[in-house]
Amino acid sequence: DAGVIQSPRHEVTEMGQEVTLRCKPISGHNSLFWYRQTMMRGLELLIYFNNNVPIDDSGMPEDRFSAKMPNASFSTLKIQPSEPRDSAVYFCASSLSILDTEAFFGQGTRLTVV
Amino acid sequence: QKEVEQNSGPLSVPEGAIASLNCTYSDRVSQSFFWYRQYSGKSPELIMSIYSNGDKEDGRFTAQLNKASQYVSLLIRDSQPSDSATYLCAVAANTPLVFGKGTRLSVIA
Repeated sequence: DAGVIQSPRHEVTEMGQEVTLRCKPISGHNSLFWYRQTMMRGLELLIYFNNNVPIDDSGMPEDRFSAKMPNASFSTLKIQPSEPRDSAVYFCASSLSILDTEAFFGQGTRLTVV
Repeated sequence: QKEVEQNSGPLSVPEGAIASLNCTYSDRVSQSFFWYRQYSGKSPELIMSIYSNGDKEDGRFTAQLNKASQYVSLLIRDSQPSDSATYLCAVAANTPLVFGKGTRLSVIA
């Protein structure tokens, strides 16, 4: 298996633009997580899905952030409009089940908003 | 608010020594505990999991768990320069993983 695949690896955009991050989880994994990592706050959970259904989006910082999982093999995280404080590394991770199991991470998307 | 605390470091050890990394957590009902290694500019990589009190060994790595003290640690024996990375402690309590901010380890040749 190729592991969790994220795209793009790097994204530089201007403030106010829409940004869409993409993730393909490991085949057979039922749970998908979006994390954001910054030096100040570490790894923060933004939202997670189980069987393509969003379970908890309380970590999403603002209404500017949205996430979808239209099928078992694809998820998106969208920021509209983007702001400089959104600059971070965004990781997607997947696991066999939603609770208490190992999560496997994609390579991340480094987002820079100027 | 579930919290996982780690000393940010850096923790510097000479090559061949034992590196000891520590983590405390706030949620008493936590059931699963993980150590991830993250090289600079890379994604977190799972290296150890532990679910019950005591020690679990895997090669040069030993994870130790004490649920009464809400404490989990990672020992790295015969440390190598390639072990230099940030080590993230993660905890789950019928929830997705909650991560500490990590401890930066530097192994000096």
